Amino acid sequence: RKEVEQDPGPFNVPEGATVAFNCTYSNSASQSFFWYRQDCRKEPKLLMSVYSSGNEDGRFTAQLNRASQYISLLIRDSKLSDSATYLCVLQRTGGYQKVTFGTGTKLQVIP
Amino acid sequence: GAVVSQHPSWVICKSGTSVKIECRSLDFQATTMFWYRQFPKQSLMLMATSNEGSKATYEQGVEKDKFLINHASLTLSTLTVTSAHPEDSSFYICSARPTGQAIYEQYFGPGTRLTVT
Repeated sequence: RKEVEQDPGPFNVPEGATVAFNCTYSNSASQSFFWYRQDCRKEPKLLMSVYSSGNEDGRFTAQLNRASQYISLLIRDSKLSDSATYLCVLQRTGGYQKVTFGTGTKLQVIP
Repeated sequence: GAVVSQHPSWVICKSGTSVKIECRSLDFQATTMFWYRQFPKQSLMLMATSNEGSKATYEQGVEKDKFLINHASLTLSTLTVTSAHPEDSSFYICSARPTGQAIYEQYFGPGTRLTVT
């Protein structure tokens, strides 16, 4: 089983729609979770960290479910500029603290 | 702030030659830099962790003699792809972690697209 799994999509949604992505992970030692955004042929950029209590940043809400080992990202009122690939990222505990990227979920917001 | 540059942004080279990619943190010091590779429609794969003044730590399956990493200063790490082959064609991205900050505080360079013919 892959350490991080995401539905690659694409998710094609109309402007203004609400869309949610999930990301499952297999290593229970993973302690820190993040969502990154990557535009085509560009570097990833940190979108938000994911906390156990859930966190919200404007139209974006991230949730962590440790019992079921998944994190989620909810985007409300989708904008055309939200079109990108969203990468789920995990960081393990321990001295090495390796960071692992998911393959990403592609979102296409349609006018 | 927290800008990371990479040079070159794209390069085409012939099979068998070597290519050097530079990663610079422009406005902060980075004791640790990371080198990733991304093939089309795949995730970023960590190749190695580069620490200033010491040997890089390579991920399993990454040949250290083929991918030479040098982190000679707190603002510069280089990745040299030696004896490049077409299968090395990929998007190489570096990231830099500001000294003293948590590992997730890493800032990515714009990437280098390598094509080996």
